[in-house]
Amino acid sequence: DQQVKQNSPSLSVQEGRISILNCDYTNSMFDYFLWYKKYPAEGPTFLISISSIKDKNEDGRFTVFLNKSAKHLSLHIVPSQPGDSAVYFCAAIQGGSEKLVFGKGTKLTVNP
Amino acid sequence: NAGVTQTPKFQVLKTGQSMTLQCAQDMNHNSMYWYRQDPGMGLRLIYYSASEGTTDKGEVPNGYNVSRLNKREFSLRLESAAPSQTSVYFCASRKPGQRYSGNTIYFGEGSWLTVV
Repeated sequence: DQQVKQNSPSLSVQEGRISILNCDYTNSMFDYFLWYKKYPAEGPTFLISISSIKDKNEDGRFTVFLNKSAKHLSLHIVPSQPGDSAVYFCAAIQGGSEKLVFGKGTKLTVNP
Repeated sequence: NAGVTQTPKFQVLKTGQSMTLQCAQDMNHNSMYWYRQDPGMGLRLIYYSASEGTTDKGEVPNGYNVSRLNKREFSLRLESAAPSQTSVYFCASRKPGQRYSGNTIYFGEGSWLTVV
């Protein structure tokens, strides 16, 4: 049973436009959520996170929104750049746990 | 991905062979992890170590063993490799933070393992 779901395997957007990547979770005990970015042949790198006591966190072009009632979070990238083309993983963790649970990832392609 | 080093980067094994993937971190982190990534499956936790001297199973531990040699090093061993263990393996480390504060995991660059 997948606890973190990224239902869109891929997303293609034009440079300069907004990219919206979505993530749903089923475990209501998760209280911290992270987004990781992964380029081919590299390890994932941390992008942005949000705790369950917030509904928005912003870092430059990246904003993560959390809707706890819907068990849904989204990552907004504005404006999108070709260098943002990568696989984005949503992840969640429960306080006190060591087990970070990942979604299957969404491959973002930003076209020039 | 500075700080987490994995070796080897590439390895081809025959079915039944054994091998150990090595991982070391220099960030003085307490927790270390081994994940595997398969196409369309995301990253799945194999084993983790919350501190030196402790190890625990993750989501997919069968066919693997681990050793937390010291605070810096966490190795993953395949005793009898199977084709189903063909994957990309990532080691990671984490410094546990306070609740509701920054809490990130740092990954190594990956080890590509093929079992034929």
